Formats: sequence, C-alpha cells, structure tokens
Amino acid sequence: QVQLQESGPGLVKPSDTLSLTCTVSGHSISSNNWWGWIRQPPGKGLEWIGYIYNSGSIFYSPSLRSRVTMSVDTSKNQFSLKLRSVTAVDTAMYHCARHYCSVNACYVDLWGPGTLVTVSS
Amino acid sequence: QSALTQPPSVSGSPGQSVTISCTGTSSDVGNYNRVSWYQQPPGTAPKLMIYEVSNRPSGVPDRFSGSKSGNTASLTISGLQAEDEADYYCSSYTDSSTLIFGGGTKLTVL
Repeated sequence: QVQLQESGPGLVKPSDTLSLTCTVSGHSISSNNWWGWIRQPPGKGLEWIGYIYNSGSIFYSPSLRSRVTMSVDTSKNQFSLKLRSVTAVDTAMYHCARHYCSVNACYVDLWGPGTLVTVSS
Repeated sequence: QSALTQPPSVSGSPGQSVTISCTGTSSDVGNYNRVSWYQQPPGTAPKLMIYEVSNRPSGVPDRFSGSKSGNTASLTISGLQAEDEADYYCSSYTDSSTLIFGGGTKLTVL
C-alpha cells in the first residue's frame, strides 16, 4: 500500500537549518498530487507549512514563507523540506502529507507518521 | 492569516450527537467548498474524515457528517461511541492557494 516516511535529524541547533525528507512508497510522486508538510508543536494544533507539485509549482504558508524551501526528487520518489533560522518555537512533530486538490476539493488524504524535531543547543 | 476558529472542547454521552463548528472568513471557508475534517486520536497521525464539506472517504462511518453555511463549517457526529474520543481539526483552502487549519477541538465521550 501507499506509505510516506519522514527522515532527518531529530535535534537541530538554534539558527541552523532544519532539513527533512519524505520517501514515498507504493505511489509515483509524479502523479496528480501535491506533496507537502504539516507540523504540530507538542500539545498544540496542526500548522500547514506548504506543498509542491511535481511540475515545480509551490505554495507556502504566509507565516513561514520567508524561511521555507521545498523540493521534489522524482528519481528517488522523495520530497524535502528546509526551514532556515530555526528557534525553539519550531520544535514540533513534522508530518509529510499527500494532498489531493481539484476544482472542488483540496485535502490531505495520506499522512506520514511524523518525526519529532527538537530545536535546542 | 489566522487559524480557523474551533471550540477548544466539546463533550457528549454515548449515543448522543455533537457538533463542532469551524469559522473562517470570506477568503477561505466562505469562498470554497474545499473544507475537510480530520480526526487525531492521541499519539497518532491525523485521519481524513470529511472532504469537500460533506463527503466521506471510504471506511468512515455515516455517523460523521459535514455541512457549511457562510463562513462556518460544521462536523456532526451522531450516535457517539467511545472510540470517537479524539482531537478534531477542520481545514480550508484559501484565496492564496494555501491550506489553513483550525485550532482543534477535543471531543470527550462521557
């Protein structure tokens, strides 16, 4: 079945760049889907970070746009997140997510289990 | 761009019905039918329960239903069961071609 799996460092120092990769299995990343990231600070709600289409179209949350970069590697069936200049408020569970978007709908239909990233020196 | 507004908590007894509201603006909920709802039990990833305001994915019980009026979407759970206890989040597409989530609602089954 289709699965998403996040990978990357669990600990990042303040002011450094957080880098995560999502590996997609059982489904082509070149399909008609948007691939994105959603985070959840401990004990708090979900925050949408952004999504990318395999053609290169990208949209980021306005609140994070200045620090975020997303990319897709179709040869590896992976997509990635980079978040620059992190602080403690960026500590969260980071989920990669497959989005289905059409004229009438846009939603996350598949979530990765998540990876906890802690920002601390 | 502020989060959509949800009540922090709701509760109900088994067999009862509860409704969770999700209020946005004319730039998101009010302008699109691209509203979805997610269920998140403790320690797990969210699960899609409703998409396109009122559609249920395969496998979601018909006890879950969604609706929308103006800038407010709603999720109703009828015939409450203990297994429904979880956090619930709404989400909407926005004028900026992004998504936005609600703050989340904790459902307690008494």
